[in-house]
Amino acid sequence: NAGVTQTPKFQVLKTGQSMTLQCAQDMNHNSMYWYRQDPGMGLRLIYYSASEGTTDKGEVPNGYNVSRLNKREFSLRLESAAPSQTSVYFCASSVDGGNQPQHFGDGTRLSIL
Amino acid sequence: QKEVEQDPGPLSVPEGAIVSLNCTYSNSAFQYFMWYRQYSRKGPELLMYTYSSGNKEDGRFTAQVDKSSKYISLFIRDSQPSDSATYLCAMSSGTYKYIFGTGTRLKVLA
Repeated sequence: NAGVTQTPKFQVLKTGQSMTLQCAQDMNHNSMYWYRQDPGMGLRLIYYSASEGTTDKGEVPNGYNVSRLNKREFSLRLESAAPSQTSVYFCASSVDGGNQPQHFGDGTRLSIL
Repeated sequence: QKEVEQDPGPLSVPEGAIVSLNCTYSNSAFQYFMWYRQYSRKGPELLMYTYSSGNKEDGRFTAQVDKSSKYISLFIRDSQPSDSATYLCAMSSGTYKYIFGTGTRLKVLA
C-alpha cells in the first residue's frame, strides 16, 4: 500500500521562485493536512482540508496556498519563496477530524537560497 | 509556555533496556493522544493512539495517559537497535489542529 505519497522528495529554489508540492493518499481518507518541520519547533500545521472542497488555515499559513483537487489530492503552493520557508514539508491524512490519528508521507525537503 | 513539552534527548540506552519517553501538556481539553516514531529522513509513523486516560499495550509498546497530571508516557520493553529513532507525542482536543511535541531522539546501543 502506498499510503501518502509526496512529490518531489527534494527541491532547491531561488528566492522569489514559485513551486507546488504534491500530495496524494490512497486510503480514502476525508481529511488532509500540510505541516512543516523545523529543528526545535516540531511539526506545525500550515493548512488543512477537513473534506473535499474545504480548506482552512493552520498555525503558520502566511506565504502558502493550498488546493484540495479531489478526495485523494491536496497540493501546497509557495507563490514567492523566501529563505524562511526552507524546511521539511509533510503531508498527512486521516479518516476524519481531530479524533482520528494522522498518517504521514515521507516529506519534501525544500531549500530556498 | 508551549502547549506540549517533550525532552529532546538524546537518550542512549543499552539493547534490552526499558525505555520511558514522556510528554507534558497544559491544555486540559486534550482527549486524544498519539505517539509517532520517525526515522531519519522519513515521515512520522503512528505507533500508538489512545483516548482519554488509561493504558494501552501493543507488543513491546505501552502508552499511558494521566489526564489529572497532564502527562503521557510511552514505554518500550526489550529495546532493540531498530528502535533508534525520534519519538513524537501528539494530542488533540477533537479539532483538526493537532499539537505535536518536538520529539525525543532515542539511540539503542547494541
